[in-house]
Amino acid sequence: GENVEQHPSTLSVQEGDSAVIKCTYSDSASNYFPWYKQELGKRPQLIIDIRSNVGEKKDQRIAVTLNKTAKHFSLHITETQPEDSAVYFCAANRGRGNAGNMLTFGGGTRLMVKP
Amino acid sequence: DTGVSQDPRHKITKRGQNVTFRCDPISEHNRLYWYRQTLGQGPEFLTYFQNEAQLEKSRLLSDRFSAERPKGSFSTLEIQRTEQGDSAMYLCASSLGSVHYEQYFGPGTRLTVT
Repeated sequence: GENVEQHPSTLSVQEGDSAVIKCTYSDSASNYFPWYKQELGKRPQLIIDIRSNVGEKKDQRIAVTLNKTAKHFSLHITETQPEDSAVYFCAANRGRGNAGNMLTFGGGTRLMVKP
Repeated sequence: DTGVSQDPRHKITKRGQNVTFRCDPISEHNRLYWYRQTLGQGPEFLTYFQNEAQLEKSRLLSDRFSAERPKGSFSTLEIQRTEQGDSAMYLCASSLGSVHYEQYFGPGTRLTVT
């Protein structure tokens, strides 16, 4: 089955700095890679996603890059703000079979942005 | 609120009791997923419905777990003879299906088995 590994597990940055979180996946059939932000006690919130037919996608201060050959993808947050503090999860879908794009999640990265 | 909703938000039960959770997906979303999340971990897939058909079940889903989506709208997840290891956050997500892969999560039901 799919295995998704995420690094680092914790990340502390100064407000205004950039943050980068990296994930690797194992299933070459995966073709959809979302990122979720989860604040304490709240639901995972989809913040950006990328499909395997593109290498990069950007939405304001957030960007995601994908390297299909190396099977890794990364989340980049620029000009971090205290409200970016949360746990971030990467995920990869199962691109074949009946699983309807069930997601396998990484272990999460706790991002702390210090004011 | 037109997002995914779940009920109850919290459930405390004694070991051995049965519990049932409900999920109402976003209207017109034909795909519905159940995940389980334990503290400090990412969500783990449990099962998936396309309309009323349950198409996939994880090996994590023991015989004590059963899920239904009888009319292709809301879904229920039942856990029989609960064990302390069942304590977790149970998350429901829905997606529009077809080429629309985005999954939107509900607030979850936090289960505590004492």
